[in-house]
Amino acid sequence: GESVGLHLPTLSVQEGDNSIINCAYSNSASDYFIWYKQESGKGPQFIIDIRSNMDKRQGQRVTVLLNKTVKHLSLQIAATQPGDSAVYFCAENNAGNMLTFGGGTRLMVKP
Amino acid sequence: DAGVIQSPRHEVTEMGQEVTLRCKPISGHNSLFWYRQTMMRGLELLIYFNNNVPIDDSGMPEDRFSAKMPNASFSTLKIQPSEPRDSAVYFCASWLAGGLGTQYFGPGTRLLVL
Repeated sequence: GESVGLHLPTLSVQEGDNSIINCAYSNSASDYFIWYKQESGKGPQFIIDIRSNMDKRQGQRVTVLLNKTVKHLSLQIAATQPGDSAVYFCAENNAGNMLTFGGGTRLMVKP
Repeated sequence: DAGVIQSPRHEVTEMGQEVTLRCKPISGHNSLFWYRQTMMRGLELLIYFNNNVPIDDSGMPEDRFSAKMPNASFSTLKIQPSEPRDSAVYFCASWLAGGLGTQYFGPGTRLLVL
């Protein structure tokens, strides 16, 4: 099920390598950021989040880095696996309960 | 918890017909969001509710679209009349506003208007 744009940036990595997906956000007042993973035919799934008072947060095999100076967010996936193949979206919270989503990056893992 | 539940999962209809999409949020969540995802425009917020009250509907494309949330456990998104350009995947998401965590998405309804 195709669910993302034709011109989606694509990152292709070898299984076992580390992946880094980048995102530039727009609003310097945003105080909460989330990374979502969307597999084909499914809804976006929460991966990890970070608040603006932090610059790094680690989960299981994933790390999010936040650079507020340049309004940049990155998602690092360690030891990438075929099951990590999906589209990854960053989102920022800058107005109450509302999230603004980035355009997404497609991650392809080669076996 | 079953997560956010949406129905139907797939809908094929003809132009001019009424379409109703349904959503059951996660129990205890007090904010509900309707999104549309297309290849051309990505993920767009249509409307969101807080405590069953519509807060921001600026993303609703036009008067053919309407959304209701009669109680905390149910919401509908209606398109009347439907047009081919409404073809998209429609997601519902819910959130406990003011709490920890984020929006949790349902599996989506894939709509095709012929």
